[in-house]
Amino acid sequence: EIVMTQSPATMSVSPGERATLSCRASQSVDNTLAWYQQRPGQAPRLLIYGASTGAAGVPARFTGSGSGTEFTLTISSLQSEDFAIYYCQHYNDWPFTFGQGTKLEIK
Amino acid sequence: EVQLVESGGGLVQPGGSLRLSCVASGFTLRSYWMYWVRQVPGKGLVWVSRINPDESVTRYADSVKGRFTISRDNARNTVYLQMNSLRAEDTAVYYCVRGGSPPFEYWGQGTPVTVSS
Repeated sequence: EIVMTQSPATMSVSPGERATLSCRASQSVDNTLAWYQQRPGQAPRLLIYGASTGAAGVPARFTGSGSGTEFTLTISSLQSEDFAIYYCQHYNDWPFTFGQGTKLEIK
Repeated sequence: EVQLVESGGGLVQPGGSLRLSCVASGFTLRSYWMYWVRQVPGKGLVWVSRINPDESVTRYADSVKGRFTISRDNARNTVYLQMNSLRAEDTAVYYCVRGGSPPFEYWGQGTPVTVSS
């Protein structure tokens, strides 16, 4: 099973600032990497798939990059609605696995 | 509009059974892989099971293998998760997820399962 490790676990950022979230896979997953946002009481929302392709309706301030084992989600200018938990997940082979999440908090 | 609506969750005693249902609308179910994902409240997400369009391929997380069974009825636009021999550690919110391209774009609202005596 591929282990996905996200860092940091918690990030405190001020609105308007840039946030960079990291995700590392224990072995190469090529570009089969997705990022999700989850707000309290809601289902996860797909933000990025294929490591760098934005899902429909996702604001352009969300960008994904990386391949192989190292991935990054960047939020260019944080808005109030962006404070949530973010998960990365590979879908290279079964079992798919999620990272443990990064909680983005208001500073 | 694509919708996935789960039902069937609830309170069950350890060792008991539940069958979750996921009714799909707004798309042709028989064209898509379907998945179940669970989340312990306040914790992370775990893929539980998946099934291909014609039901010929099913896969499970090791933690549920031999106890859970995924199935589908494309004519009824419904995916099922039969959960037997339930344990306290199966307590979670269970989400139904659609595959396809892009992958995992559509999730249901989740149905909570509590295993407790």
